[in-house]
Amino acid sequence: EADIYQTPRYLVIGTGKKITLECSQTMGHDKMYWYQQDPGMELHLIHYSYGVNSTEKGDLSSESTVSRIRTEHFPLTLESARPSHTSQYLCASSEYAQDLPASTDTQYFGPGTRLTVL
Amino acid sequence: KNQVEQSPQSLIILEGKNCTLQCNYTVSPFSNLRWYKQDTGRGPVSLTIMTFSENTKSNGRYTATLDADTKQSSLHITASQLSDSASYICVVTDRGSTLGRLYFGRGTQLTVWP
Repeated sequence: EADIYQTPRYLVIGTGKKITLECSQTMGHDKMYWYQQDPGMELHLIHYSYGVNSTEKGDLSSESTVSRIRTEHFPLTLESARPSHTSQYLCASSEYAQDLPASTDTQYFGPGTRLTVL
Repeated sequence: KNQVEQSPQSLIILEGKNCTLQCNYTVSPFSNLRWYKQDTGRGPVSLTIMTFSENTKSNGRYTATLDADTKQSSLHITASQLSDSASYICVVTDRGSTLGRLYFGRGTQLTVWP
């Protein structure tokens, strides 16, 4: 079992609210990711980070923002939630080693946050 | 267009039976292919990873195969158990970017009945 945690596990909120989804890992991994997954659909990368103070947008356009002030923490924030943001959000981390090809590292996933915006 | 296609979309089998899940991909240049298991309400967990030069990899009752020439992979589950009920996701990495971009399939939903 990977040491990566997400809170809350489930969240139901009203339109217009600001929310922050928490993600923490205790494995000391430099790389962290946020994915969005709708039922029966593939995961889509929305944000990633190579390390502290590094954040990048992923393949899927998202109105969310992220920050990486500490290695172990990678929160995702929605300033004004809308029903279209209803989805499952998965956080992942992997080890970044300069002497290894970046494509061989395994990503460890958290349990996810199921977000419903009414 | 999704570059990783999985079949079947869903599958129901009886406990103790074997099954095979398929994955076809068009990702290029290819780096590696992973199979993940995702239980309902949980994050995916890696089962196997295969690089270009590997054509089979086992993890207990799970055996993955890879044909890099035809760009096909399969995941064979032997003597299925109720706990095998989950979504099985095929993930292909390209080696054309520093990040090692991952392409996810939509998964095969496997249900094992007693």
